[in-house]
Amino acid sequence: QKEVEQDPGPLSVPEGAIVSLNCTYSNSAFQYFMWYRQYSRKGPELLMYTYSSGNKEDGRFTAQVDKSSKYISLFIRDSQPSDSATYLCAMTRGIARQLTFGSGTQLTVLP
Amino acid sequence: EAGVTQSPTHLIKTRGQQATLRCSPISGHTSVYWYQQALGLGLQFLLWYDEGEERNRGNFPPRFSGRQFPNYSSELNVNALELEDSALYLCASSPRGVRDTDTQYFGPGTRLTVL
Repeated sequence: QKEVEQDPGPLSVPEGAIVSLNCTYSNSAFQYFMWYRQYSRKGPELLMYTYSSGNKEDGRFTAQVDKSSKYISLFIRDSQPSDSATYLCAMTRGIARQLTFGSGTQLTVLP
Repeated sequence: EAGVTQSPTHLIKTRGQQATLRCSPISGHTSVYWYQQALGLGLQFLLWYDEGEERNRGNFPPRFSGRQFPNYSSELNVNALELEDSALYLCASSPRGVRDTDTQYFGPGTRLTVL
């Protein structure tokens, strides 16, 4: 079993929809949680970073962490065609520093 | 502010050869990380360098090695290339080597193809 499981998609939604992207993890040692966006043939771009349970909002993006359930989510409001990309959840134990990634969810927002 | 830069963009090698990939971190960042993104395997951690030292290593064979130079740039070497080494190699940097809360910023990657 992988340490981090991510809904594989692909996911296709109409413009303006609310998108929910989800990951679960098995190791309670993970402390810091990130969401990256990766466009085709590009490097991942950091979208959101959080280290505590609860919600964190940044513009149209909301990151949610539930450490008791070992579950993280990213919500995108008013989705745009430019949001079409692969979304990767990532987490780290902290001192070991390396990121453990989910497999990614490919999102397409249709105009 | 310039982001993480990597060279070359593309690299084509044959099996058994050696590949050298280069990375320049964001100015002021001292930590450099290498990841492999192979088709079907996702992003996997390779190496972490900070202040010139290798700090951590992922589950990869010793033919994957690297170093970090005094200016904090880094080099990844892959010896005795195998077909399954074909992947996008991503470099990331973060501002400090000590604080575990520092986030990583990625470069555009080097696509290595092994024929």
